[in-house]
Parts: sequence; structure tokens; C-alpha cells
Amino acid sequence: AQTVTQSQPEMSVQEAETVTLSCTYDTSESDYYLFWYKQPPSRQMILVIRQEAYKQQNATENRFSVNFQKAAKSFSLKISDSQLGDAAMYFCAYGKTSGTYKYIFGTGTRLKVLA
Amino acid sequence: NAGVTQTPKFQVLKTGQSMTLQCAQDMNHNSMYWYRQDPGMGLRLIYYSASEGTTDKGEVPNGYNVSRLNKREFSLRLESAAPSQTSVYFCASSEARFRNNQPQHFGDGTRLSIL
Repeated sequence: AQTVTQSQPEMSVQEAETVTLSCTYDTSESDYYLFWYKQPPSRQMILVIRQEAYKQQNATENRFSVNFQKAAKSFSLKISDSQLGDAAMYFCAYGKTSGTYKYIFGTGTRLKVLA
Repeated sequence: NAGVTQTPKFQVLKTGQSMTLQCAQDMNHNSMYWYRQDPGMGLRLIYYSASEGTTDKGEVPNGYNVSRLNKREFSLRLESAAPSQTSVYFCASSEARFRNNQPQHFGDGTRLSIL
């Protein structure tokens, strides 16, 4: 069975600095998707970035980028130039490419941004 | 552009009462999902519906039932609420075609308290 592990329950970063959130996963599949979702205090689940396992290139969305290491089963999120609005819970999720698109979520990392 | 709409947003129940959480999506998505979110445990899948007319158990289905009323609507029912079901409930939907990397879209959640 697939599992997703976020080993950092909480992280802090100074405004304008860079922070990296860790995520590891376990799967026997060779093709899958990985996602990072942001959950601010408003409770909405907002897609931040996604990565397809068959793509070598790391995904980037503005200040957000990932470091995808398929062999190591690692999928970390880097936030550059951190802003106060980045403060939120961040969830890593794994999704299959075949059958139903069920996600497996990690337990989340709470990011605090210090002014 | 409503996306995924959940009702109600908040609800307090007494132990033993029944309740149906409603979810509707206007994106013509095939698949719909119900999750619960508890502190320190991320999101856990309760039930999902891969397509209209089908439903399947997820990770934590005990104490819940679901109905995929049509392509748009997917309801979650608590027949006899228990304090252990106090949680935030999220509905989500996705396109879920073969090799389609469209992510799941989430509603704003329902905070349910069982006294």
C-alpha cells in the first residue's frame, strides 16, 4: 500500500527567505502523480504544484518549486521569497495514474512566516 | 464559477442523531470523494465515487454511507452520529480520465461537532 510521510509537523521561515518542506512516499508503482496542497486558516484546499512521475523536470510555479527525486521517493517543496500569505498547512499527496484517482495524503506541515 | 459546494458549513449534533452532508460540483467531473480531516492525521478518504452509479469504500468508511445522486451530487450520511465522528469533512471532485493529471478540487469543508 502507498504511504506518504511528512516528517516536519511545523516549520518557520523569515519573510523573504526560502524554506523547504519535506515529503517522502512509498509505492511500487512506476507512474503516478504527486501534489502539494496549501490549506490556509480559511480551510480551503488550494493546489500549489503538481508533478508527474514520468517527467524528469522538476515542476515550478512562480515562487514554488519542487525537488523530485524518484529513486529516493522524495518530493520536497521549496518556497522562495516567503510571504506572510504563505503561512498555512501544506499537504503532500500521492495519486495513482490508473483506476480511480484516489489520493494518499501526508499528515501536513504547518508553515509559519515571521515578519 | 462555484466549483465544489458543500452544505452546511457548520453543524452540531447530539450523539445518535443522523445527518446528511451535501456536496455538488459544477465542473462535469466524473469522480467525487469524501474525506475527513483530523488534527495530526491529514485527510483520510471515507468513500469515493469513480463515476455516476458507483461508490466504493475508502480508508475509514465505518459509520458512514454515501449516495451518488447524479453526476453532480455526492452526499455523505451519518446514520447514528458518534463523538469520534467530530471532524472537518471535505468533498472533492476530479476529472479522472486515463492519464489525465487534473487534480482534485475541494469544497470549503464542513465542521461537524458531535456532543
